[in-house]
Parts: sequence; C-alpha cells; structure tokens
Amino acid sequence: AQSVTQLDSHVSVSEGTPVLLRCNYSSSYSPSLFWYVQHPNKGLQLLLKYTSAATLVKGINGFEAEFKKSETSFHLTKPSAHMSDAAEYFCVVRGSNDYKLSFGAGTTVTVRA
Amino acid sequence: EPEVTQTPSHQVTQMGQEVILRCVPISNHLYFYWYRQILGQKVEFLVSFYNNEISEKSEIFDDQFSVERPDGSNFTLKIRSTKLEDSAMYFCASSALAGGSTDTQYFGPGTRLTVL
Repeated sequence: AQSVTQLDSHVSVSEGTPVLLRCNYSSSYSPSLFWYVQHPNKGLQLLLKYTSAATLVKGINGFEAEFKKSETSFHLTKPSAHMSDAAEYFCVVRGSNDYKLSFGAGTTVTVRA
Repeated sequence: EPEVTQTPSHQVTQMGQEVILRCVPISNHLYFYWYRQILGQKVEFLVSFYNNEISEKSEIFDDQFSVERPDGSNFTLKIRSTKLEDSAMYFCASSALAGGSTDTQYFGPGTRLTVL
C-alpha cells in the first residue's frame, strides 16, 4: 500500500523568502509522486510530478521538488514566496499498478507581506 | 486550457434523499475518478471508471454509490440514500491514461455536499 505523510500542517513565510514543504512517502513499488495545490474555491491543480526520470523535478510557478529514495522524501521548495502562493498543498503518491491517488493531509501555506 | 467541470458547486439535501453529482471530464480523456474530502480529513479515493466499467473502488464505495457515463461527455456519481456522514467535498478527475509515467489526473473544482 502507498501512503504519504506531510510533516507540517501549516507553514507561514514572509513574501520573498524560501518555502519548504516536507513530504515522506511509503510505497512497496516504484512510486509516482505528485504535488497538487488548491487555492480557495478552486480545484486541485497539478504543480509537478516525479515519474522515475530526473530526481529533481521542476513545476509551475517556480516550484521544484527533489525525490530522495534513501530518505523516502519528496520535499517541495520555492526560492522566493509570492502572495499568490498562499494555498493548501497536497503531496500525493500512486503505486505503479494503481489507478488511485493517495493524498497526504495537506499543508496550508500563508504568506506574510 | 481544457479543464474538468463539476455541477453543482454546492448541494444541500435531506438525509435519505438521492443526489447526483455531475462532472464533465476533459474531452479526450478515457479514465474517470471520484474522490471525496470530509472536512478536516484527507482526500480519499472512491472509484475509477474506464470503458463503462468500474476499474477500481475503495471500501467507502458501497452499494449506496454508483457511477455512470450517461452520454459522451458527462460522468456522474449517485448516492442513493444520503447519510449525514456523506457530507463532504466531492472531486471528479480525469486522465488520458491510467497509471504509467505519463498519466496525470486533472481535477475539477469540487461539489460541496451537505446532508441535513
């Protein structure tokens, strides 16, 4: 079975400072890993995905994530936060033989001016 | 950019009533999914659907639930007799493929179901 643990339920940063959202995964097989973002009253939008190619994955809006198998981690980072980054972020895993996605509990990001 | 749409955005119903949640997946996608998120809890998988059949379902997806693709564009989730614990945000998703390195599921904005 696949699962993810998001280590922070809430992250608060100042505009212009780096953002780090932490995610650890558990998977029996080679997983696909995703980060989705949900802005208020909007659907879940894909930020980026890891699918066993390059371990450093670049996504939209300046976000990137690094897959570290030895640490079973897939942390999301952005060098400089923007006010528009305030949202809920979900780390998601899918096993190689699965249709379904398994979601983490989510991390709420607030950005201070 | 193509997107998944869902209607209604908010549905209020009485316990025991039937509800149908509607989704229009991205037009060239072949795989369809429903997920739900109870307030304060994780997003949970309910069911996946391909070629007019359920391909996978979770323990949550019991006989009270059904899915259908009634025409070439809509994908529906029916709850036959709603319970208070069915109150949640329901997300529809679609993908061009299923699994594999190129698969991405695209989500709609959700329908908030409130059962009174």
